[in-house]
Amino acid sequence: GAVVSQHPSWVICKSGTSVKIECRSLDFQATTMFWYRQFPKQSLMLMATSNEGSKATYEQGVEKDKFLINHASLTLSTLTVTSAHPEDSSFYICSARQGIYGYTFGSGTRLTVV
Amino acid sequence: EDQVTQSPEALRLQEGESSSLNCSYTVSGLRGLFWYRQDPGKGPEFLFTLYSAGEEKEKERLKATLTKKESFLHITAPKPEDSATYLCAVQAPVTGGTSYGKLTFGQGTILTVHP
Repeated sequence: GAVVSQHPSWVICKSGTSVKIECRSLDFQATTMFWYRQFPKQSLMLMATSNEGSKATYEQGVEKDKFLINHASLTLSTLTVTSAHPEDSSFYICSARQGIYGYTFGSGTRLTVV
Repeated sequence: EDQVTQSPEALRLQEGESSSLNCSYTVSGLRGLFWYRQDPGKGPEFLFTLYSAGEEKEKERLKATLTKKESFLHITAPKPEDSATYLCAVQAPVTGGTSYGKLTFGQGTILTVHP
C-alpha cells in the first residue's frame, strides 16, 4: 500500500533557529502533498498544499515566510519552520495524495521550541 | 466554507458495548467522506472512504454509513484496542486550481473502551 515517511519524529530546537521536516512518499509518486498542524486535543488544520515543481498554496492566516514548503520532486516535500519560537511548538503532519481520492498520512513530527 | 462537526467529543464504552459516532457535514459538492483513526502521537490511519449517500463499508468491528448530511461510524462489540481518536473529513471538489482536493477535518471523537 501507499506509505508516507516523515522525519524526524520529534525535534527540539532553540528559539530563533530553523527546523526542516521531510515527507517522502515511498512507493508512489505524489504530485500533491499537504501539510497540517495539530494542537493538543484538537483536529488537523491544513497549513498549505504543495504541488511538485510549483509554489505552495498557503491557507489563510499561515505565514508563508515562516513556514517554507518545498516540493522539489515527486517523492519529497519539506517544511522548514524558520526562526522558530515557542508558539510554533506543535505536531506537524504531512499527507500525500495518491490518485484522485487517496490520502495517506505520515507519522507526524513533534516540534518543541525552547 | 466546508464544515464538519463530530459528536460526541468523547465517548467511554465498556468492552462489548456497541455504539455509534456521528459526523455531520456541509460541503459544496462532496467528492468523498473519509474516516481515520488516530492514536496519540501518530498520524491518522485510513479507515474508510464513502462517496455517495446510501453507501456502507465494513472493516472488522467498524461499519461506516453515509447520508446526504451525515455519516456514522458504528462500532460493534468494541475492544480496548479500539481506543483512539476517530476523525472524519470531507473532500471538496477541485475548483479553479486552488482547492487541490484538500480535506476538511472535524474535531474528532475520543473513544475510550474499558475492559
